[in-house]
Order: sequence, then structure tokens, then C-alpha cells
Amino acid sequence: KQEVTQIPAALSVPEGENLVLNCSFTDSAIYNLQWFRQDPGKGLTSLLLIQSSQREQTSGRLNASLDKSSGRSTLYIAASQPGDSATYLCAVSNQAGTALIFGKGTTLSVSS
Amino acid sequence: GAVVSQHPSWVICKSGTSVKIECRSLDFQATTMFWYRQFPKQSLMLMATSNEGSKATYEQGVEKDKFLINHASLTLSTLTVTSAHPEDSSFYICSASPSGVDTQYFGPGTRLTVL
Repeated sequence: KQEVTQIPAALSVPEGENLVLNCSFTDSAIYNLQWFRQDPGKGLTSLLLIQSSQREQTSGRLNASLDKSSGRSTLYIAASQPGDSATYLCAVSNQAGTALIFGKGTTLSVSS
Repeated sequence: GAVVSQHPSWVICKSGTSVKIECRSLDFQATTMFWYRQFPKQSLMLMATSNEGSKATYEQGVEKDKFLINHASLTLSTLTVTSAHPEDSSFYICSASPSGVDTQYFGPGTRLTVL
């Protein structure tokens, strides 16, 4: 059974810092991996999707990497801003068109 | 990008009543939609897979007679929580993908509070 773990559970940093969020999964036979952002009481916003054949994806200040063989992904946020404060969720899909399996998330707080 | 809506965004009901939550794909058709539940400080957990024109597939531990799912069209799936109890209070979120697209798009969620 696929399990997704995110470390740390919470992170507080001053504005401007670069930071890394970690995600690990137990079954390396994934179809793809997605990183989401969730603001308090809100739905999910997709940030980056990495196919199993890819090593990384970039969008603006965000960079996500995938090491499928070791069951790990990282989300790198450059030059963090207070507006980045949110919970970041990592999720994997084991097959095309199937539901996602989520980690518990990392709650990020960026202070100005 | 594709848009998924949910209605209502929040609902408060008395114990024993039923509540219906709608999930709509606004600009694409979806033969499959997913319903998740998120308790405070917890991750999203899949409840069921909604299939247009056929019965939903429920995850282990989810009561199909309590959580009724109807996927009557390619743009609408509904989740009805029957005889709701306080322990059903949670954040319910649906998702869907356009055909041939891997990214799943999530609705804004529905906050259910059962008194």
C-alpha cells in the first residue's frame, strides 16, 4: 500500500530565505507526483506535476525534483515571501486516471 | 486551466439530517470524479471514485449507504451525506481531470459541520 510522508510537518522562515520541503513515498512504481498548495479552509491549487519519467519541473520560484528509485521528491522555494505561507501537499498517482495519495503536508510560515 | 466548482462552500446541519454536496466540472467533461475528505490537521483521504453512468467505487471503511454518490452527467457528481452525525463534520473536496490530462483539478471544498 502506497504511503506518502512529508517532512517537516511545519516550517517557519524569515522572508527571503530559500527552503526545501521533502516528500517520500513507499512504492516507487508511481505514475506521477504533484505538489499542491492549500490555504487555510480552502481547496487545493496545483503547483507542479512531475511525470514518472521526469526528474524535475520548474515554475517561477518553485522547483520540484523527483528521484523515483529512492522514492523521494523535493520542492524548492526560492526567495520566500509572506504570500508563500500555506500548507504544501505532496501527492502521488499510481496509475493514469486514478486518485491521488496524499501526504499530511508541510505548513510553511514566512515572516516579513 | 480547468475549473471545478463545489456547492455549497459550507453547510451547518442538525444531526440526523441529510446534506447534498455538488461537484461540477465547468469547462470540461469528466467521466470520473473523486471525492476526498480532510479532517483537521490531517491529509486528504480518498472516499470514493465517482463514475458517470455507473456505481461509485468506495474505499475500505467508507459506508456506501451513508455517503451516496450520483454521477448523472459528465459534468456533475453529487455526494449526499445521509443521517449526518457530528463525526461526519469535515472538509469534503472533489477532483476531476479532463480526458487525456494527468493533472487533477480540485474544487474549493465544502466545510460540513454537523451539530
